Parts: sequence; structure tokens; C-alpha cells
Amino acid sequence: GQQLNQSPQSMFIQEGEDVSMNCTSSSIFNTWLWYKQDPGEGPVLLIALYKAGELTSNGRLTAQFGITRKDSFLNISASIPSDVGIYFCAGQLGGGSQGNLIFGKGTKLSVKP
Amino acid sequence: DVKVTQSSRYLVKRTGEKVFLECVQDMDHENMFWYRQDPGLGLRLIYFSYDVKMKEKGDIPEGYSVSREKKERFSLILESASTNQTSMYLCASSLSWGVDYGYTFGSGTRLTVV
Repeated sequence: GQQLNQSPQSMFIQEGEDVSMNCTSSSIFNTWLWYKQDPGEGPVLLIALYKAGELTSNGRLTAQFGITRKDSFLNISASIPSDVGIYFCAGQLGGGSQGNLIFGKGTKLSVKP
Repeated sequence: DVKVTQSSRYLVKRTGEKVFLECVQDMDHENMFWYRQDPGLGLRLIYFSYDVKMKEKGDIPEGYSVSREKKERFSLILESASTNQTSMYLCASSLSWGVDYGYTFGSGTRLTVV
């Protein structure tokens, strides 16, 4: 199937640091989504992006839909211990069954207090 | 809020057993999905369904089947469980296909096959 390249695979940071992660693809996507999975839980939607170039914030989180429509990034500012988890990017190619989300492999974030 | 409920958080089954994983959503969503999650491999789509009694294979359907007899319920069946099916299984649903319809996930079932 389609692939999304998500990096980094894991991050170990100090509380208060900023975090940046990104996803790239060889395909053009209509939508980019970012999910967070807390330990032992299912992923929860953080931010959805619908237009190329769009920059959207949700509290300390900021995500952008790349201008080429082939990439997206997520920034977390001033990280706190509850930011720990796995962050997934997901892209949507089009309508119908092409509207199925394609997921990156995730970025595992660890925050040291 | 949409709720997606998976019947078990943890399951331990023996090799060769037939295993049923149940998922129920309460908001009349059309689409339902089953994923498995393994370290380093992310979320891999097993099967999905866009209507009652309709099903489509995902990327890794081998060794699995599904059933959707009612709109709110989507079951994943392991016909003969094997140790390589030890994994976290996640169910998700979405209202329909479209740019505004993200997925809502259940909390997952961690299956161990011994």
C-alpha cells in the first residue's frame, strides 16, 4: 500500500523543550491529520489540515500542510510530561475508498521531567 | 462524542483457537476499520467495511476475516490463532468518506496468543 515516511521514529527530550516531527510522501494528499496515542489507549485526533499551506494550532501544538501537498509537520512547544505518547500522521488521498487514511509509523515521544 | 467500544482490553488465547474481537460504535457511522499495531510497524489496516454486510480487504487480511451484520458492530475473527497474531488490535469508525471525517478509535485489545 501507500507509504508515509514519518520521522523521527523516537525522541527523548527534557520537559520545556520544543518538539518537531514530520511526514513525507511521494503522493499528493487532500488532507493531513495528526493523532496522539497515550500509552494503553487508542489514537485521538489532534489536528486536521485541509488546504496546502494551511497552518493550524491547537494549544501548544502547531501543524502545517506542506505547500506541495506531499508533507506535513507537527510542532509541540514547551513540552510537558503528559505529552508522552506516540504521534501519528495520517493522509487522505481522495474520495470513496481512496478516502481511507494512510498512517505513518509513528513518533514515540518521551519527556523527562 | 462518538464512542467506539472494544469488548476486551486484554485477551490471552491458545494457538489454533478461533478468536472473536468485537467493536461497537454508537453514532451511526458508515465506515468501520480494523487495524493491528506492532512496534516499529505503525498501524496496518486489516479489513474495513463501508456498509452492513460489506467488507473490503486492507493491507494485511491473511489469517483474518470480519463480519458486519449490524451497522454499529464490526467483528474481527481470527480463524485459527497463531503466535504471530499477538498484537494490539484497534477498531475505528468514521461517519463517511470525506475530508471532514476523521477516524474515532477504540481503546484497543491487546491479544496474546500462546
